[in-house]
Amino acid sequence: EAGVTQFPSHSVIEKGQTVTLRCDPISGHDNLYWYRRVMGKEIKFLLHFVKESKQDESGMPNNRFLAERTGGTYSTLKVQPAELEDSGVYFCASSQEWRGRTEAFFGQGTRLTVV
Amino acid sequence: AQSVTQLGSHVSVSEGALVLLRCNYSSSVPPYLFWYVQYPNQGLQLLLKYTSAATLVKGINGFEAEFKKSETSFHLTKPSAHMSDAAEYFCAVSDNTGGFKTIFGAGTRLFVKA
Repeated sequence: EAGVTQFPSHSVIEKGQTVTLRCDPISGHDNLYWYRRVMGKEIKFLLHFVKESKQDESGMPNNRFLAERTGGTYSTLKVQPAELEDSGVYFCASSQEWRGRTEAFFGQGTRLTVV
Repeated sequence: AQSVTQLGSHVSVSEGALVLLRCNYSSSVPPYLFWYVQYPNQGLQLLLKYTSAATLVKGINGFEAEFKKSETSFHLTKPSAHMSDAAEYFCAVSDNTGGFKTIFGAGTRLFVKA
């Protein structure tokens, strides 16, 4: 069974440009989460989808970030326009059940560098 | 609000020595606790989890952790370190108050000396 897949693995863009990150969860997982780790800091929650619906987007930094989950399958996270402080590693995770006992499965992450 | 605190951003041990990575949690409800590991250039991998069953939890690669409610701790141990254990380790708690998002500690980077 394929794990959580994220594209691209690395992205280097200039300040002001747009970047779109993609996450393909494990098939059948209704829950999809996005996290971010800025260098030297903790891994922070960004938002949570249940199927195609945003369940919790309290961690989204500002309105330059837009997440979608088309048809409850893959998800995209767009940053527009990107700023220097957006640099970091963006992780996606999915889980099958909406219960804390079920761990989330994480992707490899996308390392975003804004220059 | 739930949180975890990892004591020590860096830990260095000799190969064959005991590994002890410390984690304390804060939770107003019975917590679900996890340890994740991130090897260089890889994603986060689950080592083990505590979900209110046995307080001593065994995970992959010889790691285990003990849930101690009285000390609000969930320390990770391994009797004998191997060079391949060098990685960053994250203690985490599931946010039982809603959505079950994962709340991470700051991480502890483990160095293993030959």
